Amino acid sequence: DGGITQSPKYLFRKEGQNVTLSCEQNLNHDAMYWYRQDPGQGLRLIYYSQIVNDFQKGDIAEGYSVSREKKESFPLTVTSAQKNPTAFYLCASSIGQGETQYFGPGTRLLVL
Amino acid sequence: KNEVEQSPQNLTAQEGEFITINCSYSVGISALHWLQQHPGGGIVSLFMLSSGKKKHGRLIATINIQEKHSSLHITASHPRDSAVYICAVRSNYKLTFGKGTLLTVNP
Repeated sequence: DGGITQSPKYLFRKEGQNVTLSCEQNLNHDAMYWYRQDPGQGLRLIYYSQIVNDFQKGDIAEGYSVSREKKESFPLTVTSAQKNPTAFYLCASSIGQGETQYFGPGTRLLVL
Repeated sequence: KNEVEQSPQNLTAQEGEFITINCSYSVGISALHWLQQHPGGGIVSLFMLSSGKKKHGRLIATINIQEKHSSLHITASHPRDSAVYICAVRSNYKLTFGKGTLLTVNP
């Protein structure tokens, strides 16, 4: 089955710790995205990548980093510089920028 | 003021009722999306519209570009339609999302 997978479903982070959220797609999509969802707010774009080895900051990139070494994978690292990391993180992909985005199941990050 | 406003924020209906969720936006757009988010968190794209009307099963989406307004209608609503419905607008390849409408359909 083609789709987007995110792991883990739940992730706990200790203060000062970096954590990496996984996002994999087998849809052969060029574009991939990371969003953050907080209660009572719309999704906000963290980073996006239009093509392998290229990525751009979104609206709330501070405290996050990404890589796009393979077309299928777009991991997101939440660094210790992100002071309020508790949120629901969604990964998405599309054939190209401007096309319909397909979303993964999400990862819920909690700070201990 | 948010660029994308949805109303109502919460909506409770009885099974079989006709549902309407509204979305207004303030920027020029190339397309508007309606998304559905179930309690587990996964999001499914329902429609992408740039003009007129689209229909898929019991769901109908309309857009009026001049009035910067879109509606999502659900006919013969069912408890399995209970979800958060999210409007998102595309401008310069960027999506801006509304806060969502929580729909609860009671049997």
